Amino acid sequence: NAGVTQTPKFQVLKTGQSMTLQCAQDMNHNSMYWYRQDPGMGLRLIYYSASEGTTDKGEVPNGYNVSRLNKREFSLRLESAAPSQTSVYFCASSEATGHGVTAKNIQYFGAGTRLSVL
Amino acid sequence: RKEVEQDPGPFNVPEGATVAFNCTYSNSASQSFFWYRQDCRKEPKLLMSVYSSGNEDGRFTAQLNRASQYISLLIRDSKLSDSATYLCVVKDTGGFKTIFGAGTRLFVKA
Repeated sequence: NAGVTQTPKFQVLKTGQSMTLQCAQDMNHNSMYWYRQDPGMGLRLIYYSASEGTTDKGEVPNGYNVSRLNKREFSLRLESAAPSQTSVYFCASSEATGHGVTAKNIQYFGAGTRLSVL
Repeated sequence: RKEVEQDPGPFNVPEGATVAFNCTYSNSASQSFFWYRQDCRKEPKLLMSVYSSGNEDGRFTAQLNRASQYISLLIRDSKLSDSATYLCVVKDTGGFKTIFGAGTRLFVKA
């Protein structure tokens, strides 16, 4: 059981280049997420997809687009990379358990993509 | 003010020590609380959920204080393998907004 798989693991881009980060999960989870992690900042939510066919902005969506291709796959696209987008990107998936105040939403993460924009 | 705040540390403790981390959150409507562990250059992984009555998992004990809006994690009998960054995570009611603290770094020394 692979869990959450991200590709690529490392990438170096020049300013203005575009790229797509791929994410796939095999746990049949409905919800998927993209985060970025910067030193001293914690993980910040870029976009999420509550279920197949829906996507919503998170805390820091500017400069990114996403596609929920199917239930398994959720991709993140940088149309015109900027040095400020140098970061570690994590994809996650979750399935809510419980209801109301006991509801949990444990997230499982991929291994991350280390992106440098020069 | 950050929505979830943690002391970044680092905490340097000898093997066998007891260490405690606190985390404060600003949204009183928050309903779900977790501690995640992140090893250097790895992804975060769930350590434990935090329940209102407090809960224990082996050497780890988590507490929630809703009135003061803080969460704590206590590690007893620290092992070298406990060295990691511990992330406090808070989720609001019903939605998908999950806020991660910046983490507390722990180094356990032989």
